[in-house]
Amino acid sequence: DTEVTQTPKHLVMGMTNKKSLKCEQHMGHRAMYWYKQKAKKPPELMFVYSYEKLSINESVPSRFSPECPNSSLLNLHLHALQPEDSALYLCASSPKNPALDRTGVHYNEQFFGPGTRLTVL
Amino acid sequence: QKEVEQDPGPLSVPEGAIVSLNCTYSNSAFQYFMWYRQYSRKGPELLMYTYSSGNKEDGRFTAQVDKSSKYISLFIRDSQPSDSATYLCAMSPGTIQGAQKLVFGQGTRLTINP
Repeated sequence: DTEVTQTPKHLVMGMTNKKSLKCEQHMGHRAMYWYKQKAKKPPELMFVYSYEKLSINESVPSRFSPECPNSSLLNLHLHALQPEDSALYLCASSPKNPALDRTGVHYNEQFFGPGTRLTVL
Repeated sequence: QKEVEQDPGPLSVPEGAIVSLNCTYSNSAFQYFMWYRQYSRKGPELLMYTYSSGNKEDGRFTAQVDKSSKYISLFIRDSQPSDSATYLCAMSPGTIQGAQKLVFGQGTRLTINP
């Protein structure tokens, strides 16, 4: 299994709803990421988990709450969102050990999932 | 000033043309330079990466990094309609605590016309 899966593909929610986004990978990766991508904009990093511990929080509002129950699963819990939070939410993962290319350079590729398209009404 | 600047385009070229995509950056700590390709409604996929300065070639794609000028480029030779996508440059100072924090450019929307 060499992919990152995300569910649901689409989500519509009201401002008072509570919902969760799910991300899963079975590649043995130990770093997992949440990104937010608005239309025609680049992905913006939200959170990073390394070895199931939150290592980076890019000053994300508390209405977004990440969770990493195990090394294969990453959740993003949503509560009291605003319409401006509507976006594509991307999950990514990267290996614990960088790969070595044929020129001897170590690199750590981030593998992205297809994203969840979220609309907040 | 943004850390990474990339012309958003759109860029439209005929099939078979050579395409040149560029990014500039301001953070001298960046050591890893990547190009991601993102098709509509899909997640980004890694196309090319380079460590520090230099060139790297992979098939029809060539990535160049000039750290002295803080400038990176991606060249696509013999462009095909299937190359139509948004191309994002991304940069990183390296791995910290087992994870890599990427900073992306704006993305350039490219269309190859048959």
